Amino acid sequence: SYDLTQPLSVSVALGQTARVPCGGLNIETKNVHWYQQKPGQAPVVVMFRDTNRPSGIPERFSGSNSGNTATLTISRAQAGDEAAYYCQVWDSNTVIFGGGTKLTVL
Amino acid sequence: QVQLQQWGAGLLKPSETLSLTCAVYGGSFSGYYWTWIRQPPGKGLEWIGEINDRGRINHSPSLKSRVTMSIDTSRNQISLKLSSVTAADTAVYYCARYYHDVLTAYYGSFDIWGQGTMVTVSS
Repeated sequence: SYDLTQPLSVSVALGQTARVPCGGLNIETKNVHWYQQKPGQAPVVVMFRDTNRPSGIPERFSGSNSGNTATLTISRAQAGDEAAYYCQVWDSNTVIFGGGTKLTVL
Repeated sequence: QVQLQQWGAGLLKPSETLSLTCAVYGGSFSGYYWTWIRQPPGKGLEWIGEINDRGRINHSPSLKSRVTMSIDTSRNQISLKLSSVTAADTAVYYCARYYHDVLTAYYGSFDIWGQGTMVTVSS
């Protein structure tokens, strides 16, 4: 089965740029979606199809996908960005989630 | 604006059957796939399965033998049943929507989520 690997945690200083990686074999051939989840809330999609922001998501959020790594980048990180972030792909008609990354804004 | 409202029993004993319903309000029911996803306390997201408006079903291989999903297009509702539950099934259960373009084989993101239902399995 296909696996997605995310670091358990990423820290970023307030106002700096955070990068959340998602590793998978030849992940560049897949459409990667990203979700933000704050404690006690349902996930919210913040990036779809690698690089597309849904309406209402700040331009500070961007995505890329190349080789074996997809990356969610959050520029000018704010306290409100502190959350868990999950990458997700489809493989063989099955949904695959990464294990999630806890982003801490220092 | 589309909203998903879900409900169901929150406390079960081992071996009982989990039963949840998710209603779709304010938008089209057809043309989308309706999915169940769960999240054990403190852990990540796990896909359970999906159903579309024509009743096409797809399950996670790990849960397939215990999962039953159904759809009621007259009420814009989908339902999930998970049999023979154990403590390992304790989780928040979400319903969610995604769009699948059959022609291009594009699978969309889960753009709308229910509020989640905490289900605890304990004797």
